[in-house]
Amino acid sequence: KAGVTQTPRYLIKTRGQQVTLSCSPISGHRSVSWYQQTPGQGLQFLFEYFSETQRNKGNFPGRFSGRQFSNSRSEMNVSTLELGDSALYLCASSREAVNTGELFFGEGSRLTVL
Amino acid sequence: GENVEQHPSTLSVQEGDSAVIKCTYSDSASNYFPWYKQELGKGPQLIIDIRSNVGEKKDQRIAVTLNKTAKHFSLHITETQPEDSAVYFCAASLTSGTYKYIFGTGTRLKVLA
Repeated sequence: KAGVTQTPRYLIKTRGQQVTLSCSPISGHRSVSWYQQTPGQGLQFLFEYFSETQRNKGNFPGRFSGRQFSNSRSEMNVSTLELGDSALYLCASSREAVNTGELFFGEGSRLTVL
Repeated sequence: GENVEQHPSTLSVQEGDSAVIKCTYSDSASNYFPWYKQELGKGPQLIIDIRSNVGEKKDQRIAVTLNKTAKHFSLHITETQPEDSAVYFCAASLTSGTYKYIFGTGTRLKVLA
């Protein structure tokens, strides 16, 4: 059974640019959530999608957005990049829609903003 | 706001010794507490979880305890091995609110051979 796949794995951008990250969940999983991981801050929740609907949103500025497609694949976009956006962005999928299901994480997309 | 505090941030133990990581949560309505292990270059992976109707759960060398009154939960690893070296995250689920889990800031465990 294939795991969660994130692309690209690494990318470098400059301030002011925008970036799109992609996540393919495990087959049959309808919930996809995104987290930002930075040293010392742990995993910060960005948003969660279920059946193409954003169900939950974390405390991030509007420059961070996402969407989910009918096949459950998800993308997140960060516009007008800032140096502080440099981080590992993790995608996780789960079967359930409630907040007691196991999260299956991808290996992440490491974004560096110069 | 709601948060989960995790201590220590780094922990070094000799191979064969025990390791304990502690977390405190703020939302008394939280009812699910998973622990994730993240190895270098990989995403976090669930290693054990506990629900609020249980005080302790064990799986081989790993155990988790929960004190709902004090809003504390802990991860215990016995007979540590070099492959236990990783970053460990605790988390608590919110039964209401805008997001699924609140994660702790992580503990980097080093098992010294």
